[in-house]
Parts: sequence; structure tokens; C-alpha cells
Amino acid sequence: DAGITQSPRHKVTETGTPVTLRCHQTENHRYMYWYRQDPGHGLRLIHYSYGVKDTDKGEVSDGYSVSRSKTEDFLLTLESATSSQTSVYFCAIRIGAGASGELFFGEGSRLTVL
Amino acid sequence: RKEVEQDPGPFNVPEGATVAFNCTYSNSASQSFFWYRQDCRKEPKLLMSVYSSGNEDGRFTAQLNRASQYISLLIRDSKLSDSATYLCVVTGMNRDDKIIFGKGTRLHILP
Repeated sequence: DAGITQSPRHKVTETGTPVTLRCHQTENHRYMYWYRQDPGHGLRLIHYSYGVKDTDKGEVSDGYSVSRSKTEDFLLTLESATSSQTSVYFCAIRIGAGASGELFFGEGSRLTVL
Repeated sequence: RKEVEQDPGPFNVPEGATVAFNCTYSNSASQSFFWYRQDCRKEPKLLMSVYSSGNEDGRFTAQLNRASQYISLLIRDSKLSDSATYLCVVTGMNRDDKIIFGKGTRLHILP
């Protein structure tokens, strides 16, 4: 158990509303990631973080922002949710030898935007 | 050429059989390789890392072929519980190196 939890696990919201997903880890790992997974696309990186206040964009960052004010928490925000953001969102932490370590995933947050 | 490619399957294999998947990658500078397993509606879980010398974990064997730029996963004596999607992951050694996921190979073990 890598000590990573996501909340909420399920959320239904309406187009145009803001949504924040939380990823919490208990082991002070530096590297954290947000992915989305959709049929036919596999896992796609949204944003990632290498430490407190050190974040960067992934391949599908439009419409998303992140914050990491504490090592243990990595927040993903949809400022104004759209139906195209209906997806399963996975947070991951990287464990092991620096940047080459394995990823461990949270259980996922299933978001539906109506 | 795609960065990481996998045969999407599905592979329909009778219980007890041996099955193998390959995953090709395009970046010859890639350094770290992994196999993940993902069950339906669940998160990906690390199955095994892939070392240059190859490695084995019970019924599972992973190998790396740098010359041909692919990794492989062999499952022997397959069980019904092996039914899942298997993702290969390729990355480098530096923090800015991309972590590339394949789209996965679906495996169905038939009773």
C-alpha cells in the first residue's frame, strides 16, 4: 500500500461548475501526477509536480489547473467543467530511485459532467 | 512510429496456457521499463519492473531487448484471475523525461 488516496471517488456535476479533485499521500514522495483515462486513449498526463509549488503541464492540460502547497496534497481543479472532461482521473506518486522509480496509483475519481 | 505500441488484443487464451505480449518503444534513450496490470474500472497496478538481464516473478517473466527496442511479458500456466489489461510503461532517468504508457493489451483467460 503506497498510502495514496483520492477524493471524491465519484462526482456528478453540471457544465460550467468548478470541480476540485484531491490526491493525498502519506509518505512524502516528491513526484506526483494527475492522469485521465478514456476509452481509446489510454492514460494521458494532465499535470505533474516535483515538489511543493513545483508543477508543470502534461499533454492534456487545457482546462485544468493544479496546486501543491504541501508535499502530501496535489489538487486538480477544473475551473469550469465541460462534458469533454467526463473521465476517470488517476493520481499517481513516484516511488524509488529518483525519476526512474515506479508509479503507484490512487483508486481513481470518476467524474461525470452533465 | 508511436512512442510506445502494444497489440490491443483481446487475447483469448485457455486456462493453463502460456501467453506472451510484446511492447515496442521508439526512444532508444529510454532507461526504465515496467509492466502494469489494470482490472476493469480499477487503477493500474505495478506488475513488475523490467531489468536489462530479464526478470522472473513466479509465473511471470519480463524481458528487455534493447537492440530491437521492445519489452515482453510471458505468463505461464495462466489463471482465470490473470484476465486484465496489461500496460507497458517506458521512461527515462531524468525528472523531465516523459513517462509513456502503452494503451494496453487485453487478456481474457477462458475456462
